[in-house]
Amino acid sequence: GENVEQHPSTLSVQEGDSAVIKCTYSDSASNYFPWYKQELGKGPQLIIDIRSNVGEKKDQRIAVTLNKTAKHFSLHITETQPEDSAVYFCAASPGSNYQLIWGAGTKLIIKP
Amino acid sequence: SQTIHQWPATLVQPVGSPLSLECTVEGTSNPNLYWYRQAAGRGLQLLFYSVGIGQISSEVPQNLSASRPQDRQFILSSKKLLLSDSGFYLCAWGRTEAFFGQGTRLTVV
Repeated sequence: GENVEQHPSTLSVQEGDSAVIKCTYSDSASNYFPWYKQELGKGPQLIIDIRSNVGEKKDQRIAVTLNKTAKHFSLHITETQPEDSAVYFCAASPGSNYQLIWGAGTKLIIKP
Repeated sequence: SQTIHQWPATLVQPVGSPLSLECTVEGTSNPNLYWYRQAAGRGLQLLFYSVGIGQISSEVPQNLSASRPQDRQFILSSKKLLLSDSGFYLCAWGRTEAFFGQGTRLTVV
């Protein structure tokens, strides 16, 4: 079955710098890759996702890149702000009605 | 638009007591429904999922059970809570994506 590994487990960056979180997956049938942001005491929120027919997707300061050959995808946050501090989860799925397989999470700390 | 409601937000229960957490979804029909548990500082553990009324799949054998009595209602239950059942419980709906409720912080004492 699918296995998703996420690195790093903790990432500390200076406010204004960029942050990159990486995930690798094992099942070549996976074609949907979402990223979630979880703030303390709240449920995870979908912030961006990508499907395997595209290599990159951008939404303001957030972007996700996908390399299907290498089976890895990354979350890029530019011009980080204090409100970006949270735990970020990646996931992978073969598609609709299949389970999302989750990474272990990355705690992102933005230093003022 | 679709919304998901999960309650209560926090719950403190004694060991051996029963549990019932409820989740409802509005604005969609026949959603996939999920219950996750999250230990402090840890990742998401899928407990149960349902693709339709009365259909429940269990991912982790444990002291908990789930039921889906209506299309957009998902209930997590236990007959007798254990200390190890403490955690943050999250309900979610979706088909490919997952949209989460705000969670229930359960403390078993």
